[in-house]
Amino acid sequence: NAGVTQTPKFQVLKTGQSMTLQCAQDMNHEYMSWYRQDPGMGLRLIHYSVGAGITDQGEVPNGYNVSRSTTEDFPLRLLSAAPSQTSVYFCASSYSYSGANVLTFGAGSRLTVL
Amino acid sequence: QKEVEQDPGPLSVPEGAIVSLNCTYSNSAFQYFMWYRQYSRKGPELLMYTYSSGNKEDGRFTAQVDKSSKYISLFIRDSQPSDSATYLCAMRDSGNTPLVFGKGTRLSVIA
Repeated sequence: NAGVTQTPKFQVLKTGQSMTLQCAQDMNHEYMSWYRQDPGMGLRLIHYSVGAGITDQGEVPNGYNVSRSTTEDFPLRLLSAAPSQTSVYFCASSYSYSGANVLTFGAGSRLTVL
Repeated sequence: QKEVEQDPGPLSVPEGAIVSLNCTYSNSAFQYFMWYRQYSRKGPELLMYTYSSGNKEDGRFTAQVDKSSKYISLFIRDSQPSDSATYLCAMRDSGNTPLVFGKGTRLSVIA
């Protein structure tokens, strides 16, 4: 049981490049989400999904796209990377969207945009 | 005013000390309260979960919720160097809304 798997663990991009952060979970969780974590800012929600085919914006969605074609996968796309997107990105999932909504986090993807 | 306020620390204590970590919040609709622990360069992991008011104990850890004061606490007894981590509070209401996180408190337990 792998839990939540994020790839890559580290990535360096140049301004304007695009890339996709991958997230996969094998727990049959309906709810999946992406956060970014910056010093002094805590965890900020980027996008989330309550099930396959359904996505919604969080607190800081600009510059990011998501899609949810399967229950297992929830990729995060950076269309044109900017230095302000340098951060640690965490994918998290939970069994349901209501109630306790206890999140299981991945190990993180550390992105640097030059 | 942010929905959830948490002192970022850092907090440094000697081994064996009792540690108190706290969060305040403004949304009286919050019903579910959690504490996550995050080791350096790792993802957060759930430490404690409490529904509504009251206390919950798990080994050396006790979570308290005071809804009348909009205040939650995490106590760590007999703190150990392995408790050195960032502790994030998180909470949400009973509807379909995402978790709201505090910014986290960085704790160092010195041997």
